[in-house]
Amino acid sequence: DVKVTQSSRYLVKRTGEKVFLECVQDMDHENMFWYRQDPGLGLRLIYFSYDVKMKEKGDIPEGYSVSREKKERFSLILESASTNQTSMYLCASRLGTSGDTQYFGPGTRLTVL
Amino acid sequence: TQLLEQSPQFLSIQEGENLTVYCNSSSVFSSLQWYRQEPGEGPVLLVTVVTGGEVKKLKRLTFQFGDARKDSSLHITAAQTGDTGLYLCAVADVASYDKVIFGPGTSLSVIP
Repeated sequence: DVKVTQSSRYLVKRTGEKVFLECVQDMDHENMFWYRQDPGLGLRLIYFSYDVKMKEKGDIPEGYSVSREKKERFSLILESASTNQTSMYLCASRLGTSGDTQYFGPGTRLTVL
Repeated sequence: TQLLEQSPQFLSIQEGENLTVYCNSSSVFSSLQWYRQEPGEGPVLLVTVVTGGEVKKLKRLTFQFGDARKDSSLHITAAQTGDTGLYLCAVADVASYDKVIFGPGTSLSVIP
């Protein structure tokens, strides 16, 4: 069974803190994605990576950075958390093109106080 | 960037009822996917439709891709409480081969 895991289900941080969200997939997929999900807005792409050490900005990259040092692991970094980054963060992986299945992790609900 | 609209935004029905939710856009798509997200979990792919006019069935769920490949519908027959969740449609971004655009979703609540 394919599996995408995320390091935390719930996280509470203070404004200004550096936040790391980690995602691991066990399917040897090339592509990995970070989305945030807010009510009424659907899933919005923050960053994606199509190979180790490669990354591309999504639709809302401001305030975020990413790291992909190993194929199975894709990290999302909030350099200085702000209250408007309170959201559900979803990681996904995909083998090939946009028509392939994306496999999602369970999500991390981040609250920034 | 193309936008996807989904309707209705919220739907609350009794167990056993039928329902249809919609995904629309002004753009033509090569394919369209439907995902279901249960509370507290990530989305899970239900189906991918590729051909205009295509109809796919998954037990009590029937998916249709519009003839012009601009819209899609999902019909659920005799809804069950286990159908509760957020239904998302998704398409490939024509501006970027790697990216997928998701609609805002229809939140379905099936009441026993």
